[in-house]
Amino acid sequence: AQRVTQPEKLLSVFKGAPVELKCNYSYSGSPELFWYVQYSRQRLQLLLRHISRESIKGFTADLNKGETSFHLKKPFAQEEDSAMYYCALRGSGNTGKLIFGQGTTLQVKP
Amino acid sequence: KAGVTQTPRYLIKTRGQQVTLSCSPISGHRSVSWYQQTPGQGLQFLFEYFSETQRNKGNFPGRFSGRQFSNSRSEMNVSTLELGDSALYLCASSPGTGSVDTEAFFGQGTRLTVV
Repeated sequence: AQRVTQPEKLLSVFKGAPVELKCNYSYSGSPELFWYVQYSRQRLQLLLRHISRESIKGFTADLNKGETSFHLKKPFAQEEDSAMYYCALRGSGNTGKLIFGQGTTLQVKP
Repeated sequence: KAGVTQTPRYLIKTRGQQVTLSCSPISGHRSVSWYQQTPGQGLQFLFEYFSETQRNKGNFPGRFSGRQFSNSRSEMNVSTLELGDSALYLCASSPGTGSVDTEAFFGQGTRLTVV
């Protein structure tokens, strides 16, 4: 079964602390993994994807096929990082279908 | 370029009625996907349309249907509304061809409340 699991509903850290939002997936082929972010009163937007291997707003994520994980990390959290974060999977082939995890609310306290 | 536009932004309907939601994708995008977002279930895929054809379908009852027009605009329809259909309905557009540019752009959603 295709599934994305984000075990934490809420992650609360202090400004300047490291952040790791966990994401595990279940998929039998070669999926494409994404992190989407939704800031308060804004639309859902792409943060990063595994094929780009880039750092956006200080966030990075590495695809670990052995552990079927795609954890999102940032060494020093900022208050403006407070948002809802969704991990998502797209299967192989021509498809726009995204399978989302339940989301993790990141709260960065001053 | 203009983003994904969903109309209306808010809707209140009565149980048993039907509703139609509209989505205008980014110019040039041929794939439109619909999602239902609720606090309990999160974001769930409804269906995807590409070049006026349904390409993928989620696990929703037949009361949920959609279509896409030649200009890529899409509509989704929910018939015989139930209280549990209350949700934020999101539309996402993407180029839809190949695997190079796969970013999906989301609209702001239509908030449907069934009373």
